[in-house]
Amino acid sequence: IAGITQAPTSQILAAGRRMTLRCTQDMRHNAMYWYRQDLGLGLRLIHYSNTAGTTGKGEVPDGYSVSRANTDDFPLTLASAVPSQTSVYFCASSAAGGRDTQYFGPGTRLTVL
Amino acid sequence: GQNIDQPTEMTATEGAIVQINCTYQTSGFNGLFWYQQHAGEAPTFLSYNVLDGLEEKGRFSSFLSRSKGYSYLLLKELQMKDSASYLCAVLDSNYQLIWGAGTKLIIKP
Repeated sequence: IAGITQAPTSQILAAGRRMTLRCTQDMRHNAMYWYRQDLGLGLRLIHYSNTAGTTGKGEVPDGYSVSRANTDDFPLTLASAVPSQTSVYFCASSAAGGRDTQYFGPGTRLTVL
Repeated sequence: GQNIDQPTEMTATEGAIVQINCTYQTSGFNGLFWYQQHAGEAPTFLSYNVLDGLEEKGRFSSFLSRSKGYSYLLLKELQMKDSASYLCAVLDSNYQLIWGAGTKLIIKP
């Protein structure tokens, strides 16, 4: 592993189903983030974690949950998917949050039907 | 509310210079980032400005004026591989990044 990995690369999901997007980083970064990117809109922060064991809500947290059991992993769960959650999801990490540069994973393209 | 404005799309010629503007209105300011994003790929870091002035890094330069809420990214000697979207993002008072929608740059031979 080098940098940040995300899985799956893409997924088609029926509305109402539960889905977990996985994110793993090997840079020992303290801070991790989940964004969604929709056409014509900027990246929007869903949830973040400044360090293992802590999480916080971003701009668009409704319908999503996260956990940060250790430094490397930051999964994002959709408890009951809805079509408006169709998007490209990016996980990112930074050394210590704040002004540190964020590094992005390759993204997961999710379609909810 | 918080707002980041960038042109939606720009076209330039290979070998030329292009300037991509970004204006912002945010609750607090802790710096401005520029990222490059090729189609279907992840954003990658280009530059960070927190003080007024011009920062030069090879063919790319970034300028910031905090009093005007304005930044630009200057790309010189354009190459076809520079065809991408360029994202402007401001770090607000809560140290969260507020992102513009991005400027799609099309390079023509």
